[in-house]
Amino acid sequence: EIVLTQSPGTLSLSPGERATLSCRASQSVSSSYLAWYQQKPGQAPRLLIYGASSRATGIPDRFSGSGSGTDFTLTISRLEPEDFAVYYCQQYGSSPPPTFGGGTKVEIK
Amino acid sequence: QVQLVQSGAEVKKPGASVKVSCKASGYTFTSYGISWVRQAPGQGLEWMGWISAYNGNTNYAQKLQGRVTMTTDTSTSTAYMELRSLRSDDTAVYYCARDSSSSTGSLGYWGQGTLVTVSS
Repeated sequence: EIVLTQSPGTLSLSPGERATLSCRASQSVSSSYLAWYQQKPGQAPRLLIYGASSRATGIPDRFSGSGSGTDFTLTISRLEPEDFAVYYCQQYGSSPPPTFGGGTKVEIK
Repeated sequence: QVQLVQSGAEVKKPGASVKVSCKASGYTFTSYGISWVRQAPGQGLEWMGWISAYNGNTNYAQKLQGRVTMTTDTSTSTAYMELRSLRSDDTAVYYCARDSSSSTGSLGYWGQGTLVTVSS
């Protein structure tokens, strides 16, 4: 199983600031198979990024993904009020099977 | 538009089984796989498994092997997840999710979630 470690656990920022979230894998992940999700309280997760760097349909361009191998990053260039949420990375290869990271909470400072 | 509508909340006793349904609409059901993901209260996301709606092939998380069964009914465009021998730590919101159109395995559409509570 590939273990994904997300850091920091909580990020306290103000609207307009830049957010940088990290996802580190215990073994190499094909960059074609790394996704990021946003989840707000009481809601299902929403796909933001797939293939490490491709934005899903309808996702604003302030969200960007980068990285390869074992180190991946989600960047939110300028935080909007609606961006305060929990973010999860996921590797979704078929073997080893998919796993999620533990999440990073982006909260208002 | 793509929609996944799940069955309602369940309360089960330890040792019982639960079967959650996920009815799909707005796309050709057999063209995409369905994954099941659960989330314990206040915790992160846990991938449970995946089923091909095309041929019924499955891939389950190792920790759930032997307790979980995922099936589909193509006549009603519905996916099912059955979990047996329930324990208190199976209490969670269970989500079904469809592969995105762009990258199989990333989850582009989600159901609303089904709360399963296991309590004596």
